[in-house]
Amino acid sequence: AQSVTQLGSHVSVSEGALVLLRCNYSSSVPPYLFWYVQYPNQGLQLLLKYTTGATLVKGINGFEAEFKKSETSFHLTKPSAHMSDAAEYFCAVSDSSGGGADGLTFGKGTHLIIQP
Amino acid sequence: DAGVIQSPRHEVTEMGQEVTLRCKPISGHNSLFWYRQTMMRGLELLIYFNNNVPIDDSGMPEDRFSAKMPNASFSTLKIQPSEPRDSAVYFCASSFAVGGLGYTFGSGTRLTVV
Repeated sequence: AQSVTQLGSHVSVSEGALVLLRCNYSSSVPPYLFWYVQYPNQGLQLLLKYTTGATLVKGINGFEAEFKKSETSFHLTKPSAHMSDAAEYFCAVSDSSGGGADGLTFGKGTHLIIQP
Repeated sequence: DAGVIQSPRHEVTEMGQEVTLRCKPISGHNSLFWYRQTMMRGLELLIYFNNNVPIDDSGMPEDRFSAKMPNASFSTLKIQPSEPRDSAVYFCASSFAVGGLGYTFGSGTRLTVV
């Protein structure tokens, strides 16, 4: 079974400040890891994903995340927050082996608030 | 590519009524997923299909919920009878690969049961 824990249901940062959204996962097999963003009244959009290879993954809108196996973490960062980054962010894990369900298991989400 | 298309976008119905939500996946995608999103429980996987066959429906909350995928381009999620606690946003997603790769979400159906 897989699970995802996102620390902090709400994170508030000032415009221009560093954004750090935390995600820890649990998986019995090598995981695929994802970050999604959801703007109000919209579906989820993929920000970035980790499958294999380089552990630092770059995504859209200046976001990146680093896979740390020893810490079972996949934290999302952005050096300088912009007002347009205000949204709900979801971390997700899936089974890379293909033997189990193909569905993603999501964390409960972190609401990112950008202060002017 | 029009993406994953869900209808209706909003649905308001009275308790006890039947509700049918619809989803058209991206052409060529062979997996389809139904999720429910609420403030209390977040995003929950209800059921998923692979090549039109239901693979895992362990997330379906109870017998009032049923889902079908009669062909590769159409799926429905039905609630009968509906209850106020079913109020949520229901998302459909489709994928062409294993491991959650290639996932694309629809815009969701906001269901309100009064």
